[in-house]
Formats: sequence, structure tokens, C-alpha cells
Amino acid sequence: DTGVSQDPRHKITKRGQNVTFRCDPISEHNRLYWYRQTLGQGPEFLTYFQNEAQLEKSRLLSDRFSAERPKGSFSTLEIQRTEQGDSAMYLCASSLAPYGYTFGSGTRLTVV
Amino acid sequence: GEDVEQSLFLSVREGDSSVINCTYTDSSSTYLYWYKQEPGAGLQLLTYIFSNMDMKQDQRLTVLLNKKDKHLSLRIADTQTGDSAIYFCAESRPTGGSYIPTFGRGTSLIVHP
Repeated sequence: DTGVSQDPRHKITKRGQNVTFRCDPISEHNRLYWYRQTLGQGPEFLTYFQNEAQLEKSRLLSDRFSAERPKGSFSTLEIQRTEQGDSAMYLCASSLAPYGYTFGSGTRLTVV
Repeated sequence: GEDVEQSLFLSVREGDSSVINCTYTDSSSTYLYWYKQEPGAGLQLLTYIFSNMDMKQDQRLTVLLNKKDKHLSLRIADTQTGDSAIYFCAESRPTGGSYIPTFGRGTSLIVHP
């Protein structure tokens, strides 16, 4: 097992474009989390899946953001009509139990 | 105010002990964590402690929890230059059956020779 994988590592996009990120959790982990981190801040929670069910969504997750986890395996996070304020590191984490979360290396998004 | 608060910077000399402090607001916090983040990388779980414990030791790391004061600390013994990183305190509590970690802003640890 190679841990939590995120793809791509970096993404530069023009304002108004749509972007999609992928997260592959540790295979036996049924819990999956998305966080966003901006410079000088701690990670901020976006959304949480248990298996394929999206159980929690933060108010940070505007209607331009959507996340899926089909079949309870990998997950995707899509941002539509990107804005400069969306520039951040997007982190994915997974866990089997409600503790001991393993984070991926993140996808750094730059909106120009 | 913030749910989890940490001081932003700590500077220590190589070989000394480092103590990073954290306070949290919610007495129902069940799990408390320390994560390490190196530049450009994701977060690495260093250790976690259940709220019914008051201390946990793992090699050079010692975590102390004062539940009454809602205070958590991480002590790194014999600090090395490789320990330079940002350290995040986090807590999680049951919310509708989920445990969603809430992070502080991080403490930047600088280790100088």
C-alpha cells in the first residue's frame, strides 16, 4: 500500500475554468475527507464520505464545488467556474477508524 | 474565537527540547492529534491521544493533555534540524456519528544549530 495518492500534484487554471482533482485513499479505509489549506492557515474541512455516502459538507463548500466517491473507492473534487480565491492546497485524507487519518501530499491549485 | 489555538512560531537550539502548546475550546473533544507538515508536503500524523488519557510517550515525543484546562502540548526531546516544520494541533469530537478533525493554524518550529 502506497498511502493516499492525489492527482495532479499541481494545477494552474484560468479563472472561470472547471477543474477536477482525484484522491485514491488507502484501500481498506472507508472514511475519506477533503480539506483546503491556504498559506499560513491550518487545513479547513470541506467534506466527508463514509464509503460512498457523503455525510458531511462544510459551509465552505459552495455550490461551485462538488465531490463524489463512486463505489466507495477513489474520490473526485470538482470546482466549477474557478475564482482566484479558490487558489489553495486541496488535501485528501482517509481512515479506517475515527482517528489516525492519513493525508495525501495534496493538489496545489493556482487560478490565474 | 478559533476552536483550536496555537502560537505561530517557536525557535530552539539543536539538542534542546521543544514544547509546542495548543488550547481547544470544546470539552467534548474526543481525540486530539499532532501533525507535522514539511514545505510543499501533506500532513504526517505524529501521534494522537484519547481524551481519557493525560499522557502519551512515543520515542522522542511526549504528549500531555490537561482536559480541565483544555490544553495539549507536544514535547520533542533532543530536537534536530530535521524537526524543523509546521506542527498542527487538531481535535475531533462526535458530530452525528462522524469525527471531523478541526485544525489549528500551526506552529512553525525553527531549529538552529
